Amino acid sequence: EDQVTQSPEALRLQEGESSSLNCSYTVSGLRGLFWYRQDPGKGPEFLFTLYSAGEEKEKERLKATLTKKESFLHITAPKPEDSATYLCAVLPGGSEKLVFGKGTKLTVNP
Amino acid sequence: DGGITQSPKYLFRKEGQNVTLSCEQNLNHDAMYWYRQDPGQGLRLIYYSQIVNDFQKGDIAEGYSVSREKKESFPLTVTSAQKNPTAFYLCASSILSTSGRGGEQFFGPGTRLTVL
Repeated sequence: EDQVTQSPEALRLQEGESSSLNCSYTVSGLRGLFWYRQDPGKGPEFLFTLYSAGEEKEKERLKATLTKKESFLHITAPKPEDSATYLCAVLPGGSEKLVFGKGTKLTVNP
Repeated sequence: DGGITQSPKYLFRKEGQNVTLSCEQNLNHDAMYWYRQDPGQGLRLIYYSQIVNDFQKGDIAEGYSVSREKKESFPLTVTSAQKNPTAFYLCASSILSTSGRGGEQFFGPGTRLTVL
């Protein structure tokens, strides 16, 4: 069964304190791994797509990396506006249905 | 601006009523999806459609119905058979990833449904 596990469930950081969020997955034939940001009461906002192990993508203070078993979302020198829930999803081979993790709730204190 | 719109933002339903949630996209995407989000449970797929006049059940389709008469529109009806409908409902769309790339789904702002 295709599965995505995100850790930790919640993370509190001080402004400027860099850290990483983890997304572990088991999937039959990964076609793509996706990261989203979701603010309370809003729809998820697309951040990155990663297709193969070794691939990296960056956007401002965020950097996503991918291995054969997991992906990391690195947050460098976070600011309070980076506070949100970050969702990871995978697209299995032969499917158009994403499999989502439960998310990591990030809080960045000033 | 291209995007996905959902309406209404908040919806209140009495016991035994059917309600319909609207989802429209002007991204020219072929595929559309409905998800339900509950605290601590992540996103669960209700229905999806890859082409007009065709749709498939997701993981939690019981008590819901959909139609896809136009490429741009994918309304969701929450019927009285849905026992616990209070949740945050999200609509998404994507291109069909036939080339092996793509697959990203883009989400609307959501509708919060509350049963009174």
